[in-house]
Amino acid sequence: DVKVTQSSRYLVKRTGEKVFLECVQDMDHENMFWYRQDPGLGLRLIYFSYDVKMKEKGDIPEGYSVSREKKERFSLILESASTNQTSMYLCASSLRSEGWVEGYTFGSGTRLTVV
Amino acid sequence: QKEVEQDPGPLSVPEGAIVSLNCTYSNSAFQYFMWYRQYSRKGPELLMYTYSSGNKEDGRFTAQVDKSSKYISLFIRDSQPSDSATYLCAPGDGQNFVFGPGTRLSVLP
Repeated sequence: DVKVTQSSRYLVKRTGEKVFLECVQDMDHENMFWYRQDPGLGLRLIYFSYDVKMKEKGDIPEGYSVSREKKERFSLILESASTNQTSMYLCASSLRSEGWVEGYTFGSGTRLTVV
Repeated sequence: QKEVEQDPGPLSVPEGAIVSLNCTYSNSAFQYFMWYRQYSRKGPELLMYTYSSGNKEDGRFTAQVDKSSKYISLFIRDSQPSDSATYLCAPGDGQNFVFGPGTRLSVLP
């Protein structure tokens, strides 16, 4: 089974800190995604990447950046954490294919609290 | 209009009931329709998917798509307490999917 591992389950950070959220997948997936999930708003796409060193902005990229130096690792960076970035962060990966659609495999999430 | 809409619930049903979860979307280019289940404090997991219009059955679960009305349904027969979770629909074009906000379901023993 594909595993998507997020480095932390819970994080508490102070306003203004630089925060790194790490995500690693072990099945050679090309595509990787970062979402945040908030009650009533559902999953919102922050950034995604279709290949190493590639990145694309999602729907809510402001205040975030990403890094994909290796195929299996996709990092989300909060440049200067703010309280409105308190949320559940979910990483996902998928196989890029021409026909068969496997959908996304998600990690267990990182619940980030910014105080 | 949001791209994908779902009734957030919560929806509470007794064990054994038939559950109907619904979703509407606005992008007529969507061809793939996923359903994810998310247990509390976990990431979503793929439950099932359909391609284009029609029905697909997998055990107690049936997914139904009506592309003409841009309406997606998930039916759960003989619901169990273990089905208590949030269900997210996710239509897409095969590579990119848009997630609905999810419907929270509670199946009461």
